Amino acid sequence: DTAVSQTPKYLVTQMGNDKSIKCEQNLGHDTMYWYKQDSKKFLKIMFSYNNKELIINETVPNRFSPKSPDKAHLNLHINSLELGDSAVYFCASRLGLAGPSGETQYFGPGTRLLVL
Amino acid sequence: LAKTTQPISMDSYEGQEVNITCSHNNIATNDYITWYQQFPSQGPRFIIQGYKTKVTNEVASLFIPADRKSSTLSLPRVSLSDTAVYYCLVGDIGSNTGKLIFGQGTTLQVKP
Repeated sequence: DTAVSQTPKYLVTQMGNDKSIKCEQNLGHDTMYWYKQDSKKFLKIMFSYNNKELIINETVPNRFSPKSPDKAHLNLHINSLELGDSAVYFCASRLGLAGPSGETQYFGPGTRLLVL
Repeated sequence: LAKTTQPISMDSYEGQEVNITCSHNNIATNDYITWYQQFPSQGPRFIIQGYKTKVTNEVASLFIPADRKSSTLSLPRVSLSDTAVYYCLVGDIGSNTGKLIFGQGTTLQVKP
């Protein structure tokens, strides 16, 4: 059983297009995240939602809009895609409790986005 | 959030013990130390977490000195499948946001 799943796994698209990446977790976790990993392997947090509420919003262009229909899903919609958006996007989830027992994040397999 | 510094890359051979040290001079009282492993084309995976002294699980050991300004991940008898990027992170256990700051990680290459 997949704990954190993302679709699609690969996404190739043209500049200016709008695309969405979906994420689902079946762990019953309260908190979900989106990370971006660039070509140099740096992982940067983009957003975090706790029980469908936005709790972290890093400096990310307004073209990126997360949507959480329920606490098991956190989708990422990207408008007007640019070349610099090419990266691997990871979804993650966490139990959401403060303290060491809730610290562990479980990552999805990633979505490789290539903007041409 | 405390910043971490780790070697960019390390090489090892199968069967050897590998120790990866991470510096976190500005670690705060509430911070825990966590290590993640990332294989190519996969998301990071939790390996081990600790606060002080030594922690051991079925995968690795984590050594943390008394001042907690550094930590060492120890992988016993590595195999080729341990080739991966290893990230050291420190995080505030008192925070309910769970915000993690990943550094550039240490790329471990295990050779036959």
